[in-house]
Formats: sequence, structure tokens, C-alpha cells
Amino acid sequence: GAVVSQHPSRVICKSGTSVKIECRSLDFQATTMFWYRQFPKQSLMLMATSNEGSKATYEQGVEKDKFLINHASLTLSTLTVTSAHPEDSSFYICSAAQGLSSFSYEQYFGPGTRLTVT
Amino acid sequence: AQSVTQPDIHITVSEGASLELRCNYSYGATPYLFWYVQSPGQGLQLLLKYFSGDTLVQGIKGFEAEFKRSQSSFNLRKPSVHWSDAAEYFCAVGDSSYKLIFGSGTRLLVRP
Repeated sequence: GAVVSQHPSRVICKSGTSVKIECRSLDFQATTMFWYRQFPKQSLMLMATSNEGSKATYEQGVEKDKFLINHASLTLSTLTVTSAHPEDSSFYICSAAQGLSSFSYEQYFGPGTRLTVT
Repeated sequence: AQSVTQPDIHITVSEGASLELRCNYSYGATPYLFWYVQSPGQGLQLLLKYFSGDTLVQGIKGFEAEFKRSQSSFNLRKPSVHWSDAAEYFCAVGDSSYKLIFGSGTRLLVRP
């Protein structure tokens, strides 16, 4: 149980175009989803937190107009990288949580999406 | 500010040997601590977590970790490594708003 999928797994786009990445919780309802960015040989950096039906909360330094996050349903969140540039090339990972509390802290991670901007 | 340090970028062990991956954290309150494993093409998988109680935590795949408050450490151990354990391992601390702060990761290589 607790499977999270991401689509696409890899995407190459041209500079200036936008690309959408989907994150789905397949067998549970995710009230909260997180989006991370992972640079080569580095850690996961949290970009934003989204709760179903609410606006996403972005971490300091993350441009909300560039990285549009939508969490319209309990099983789907999307990250759209707008006007992509080569420096946006990275590995994007989402995670989903069923309900966060002091007793239930668990996030389930998707396999990631490799974005390459040419 | 909260932070997690994994001092070893790479570790190589022989199959069947014991393993210890180091993790140190900085957090003002009682931490929620996690170890995840990342294999190529797969999402991060939770190995174990510590919230409170017994400081020696058992996880999946034969892993365990010990919380030592005095040393601000949460080291991951396995008594006998298998070739399939080769992967990237991340230690993380959870803050009061349920966000995870990850260490930089340790890549485990297993010699046959």
C-alpha cells in the first residue's frame, strides 16, 4: 500500500517552455503533498507544501510564480515549471501524506521526475 | 535552525560485513528522526523512524538505528550487508510543521 506515482519519469524541454509534472497517490487520499528538488549528489530540498484545496506554501527562496503547484484533489498534485531555463534542470520528487500529526509523520515518496531543459 | 549532517559521502563495505552510517542532527526540541533509502528509479523508502520511547529502533530489511541525545546522533546499523543494500541513504529530521529536513546522503557501495 501507500504508492505514489509521478509522471513523466523523464522530460526534456526547450528553454522558455513550461512543463507539468504530476504526482498521484494511488491507494490513499493525500491531504498533504510535498514537492522537493534534488541536485546531483545532494540532498532533497523542500520546495513547497500543498494541502488539498488550499494554496501551496512555498519555502524561502522558491519562486511561486515559476513553480506553480496545484493540489486540486486528494490524489493529485501538479508542479508546473513555467518558462523553464537550463538552471531548472533537476530531479523533482513529490511525497504524499495521508494525515499529519505528532503520531503520524509519514510521507510516501514518488520515484521522481528528471527534468532537462535545453 | 534545524540541520542534519551525514559526514560520509561514500562508504564501501564487503558483502556480509557490518555497516554503520552516521547521522548528526541539530534541533532544539525532541526530534522526530528518520532514515530513508533511495534506489535508482525508485522513490525514497522509509527504513525506520524514532519519535520517542526506546532509543534503539528496529526497521525493515534488518536495519536498526540508535538515538543518542547526548551526541545528537541517530546512526544506522546493519549487522550483515547484502549486495542489494547498495543505495543512497538519507537521514532526516522532522520539524514541528511536519516538514522533513534531509542530510546530504551517504552512498553505500557493496563489494562482492
